[in-house]
Amino acid sequence: EAQVTQNPRYLITVTGKKLTVTCSQNMNHEYMSWYRQDPGLGLRQIYYSMNVEVTDKGDVPEGYKVSRKEKRNFPLILESPSPNQTSLYFCASSLRLNQPQHFGDGTRLSIL
Amino acid sequence: EDQVTQSPEALRLQEGESSSLNCSYTVSGLRGLFWYRQDPGKGPEFLFTLYSAGEEKEKERLKATLTKKESFLHITAPKPEDSATYLCAVQEDNQGGKLIFGQGTELSVKP
Repeated sequence: EAQVTQNPRYLITVTGKKLTVTCSQNMNHEYMSWYRQDPGLGLRQIYYSMNVEVTDKGDVPEGYKVSRKEKRNFPLILESPSPNQTSLYFCASSLRLNQPQHFGDGTRLSIL
Repeated sequence: EDQVTQSPEALRLQEGESSSLNCSYTVSGLRGLFWYRQDPGKGPEFLFTLYSAGEEKEKERLKATLTKKESFLHITAPKPEDSATYLCAVQEDNQGGKLIFGQGTELSVKP
């Protein structure tokens, strides 16, 4: 089954403790992206990748890192999480730029 | 600044009562406009892609249209299962892979 898989689905952690949210897709998609969704602010793009080893900033990249060493994986790294990064995070992928994106089921992060 | 604005923020309809959702955008060159549906607790689900003014796409009770400044999602004779948040997103020429989402329209269809 074609899918985008995020882990973990839920995480409660504390300020400053490094964490990684994994994202994997099984559709051989070139384009992958991370978003956060907050009430009243909608979905905002954090980082995207147009192919292996090619990443670029979205609208809200501060406090986040990403890497794309393999085509299928696009982890989101929070080196020193802060409470303002408490949010619902979505990973998405598409065959290429300008193609419809498939979204994962989301990761709810709470940073205390 | 590039913007995507959706209206209304929320819409309540009776079953069978047709209506339209609006997505207006200000970008210098449109690469593509996307409509998604999002159910509570789930990731957005793709509905339509529109690439150029005048284009229309249709699927069951939904029809999406595009002009140079806005897109409409028309819902004909909606059913309660059409209740969801509908999101519009725009990809602009010369902006790499950036995708800008509107804040969504929350649709509720009562039987």
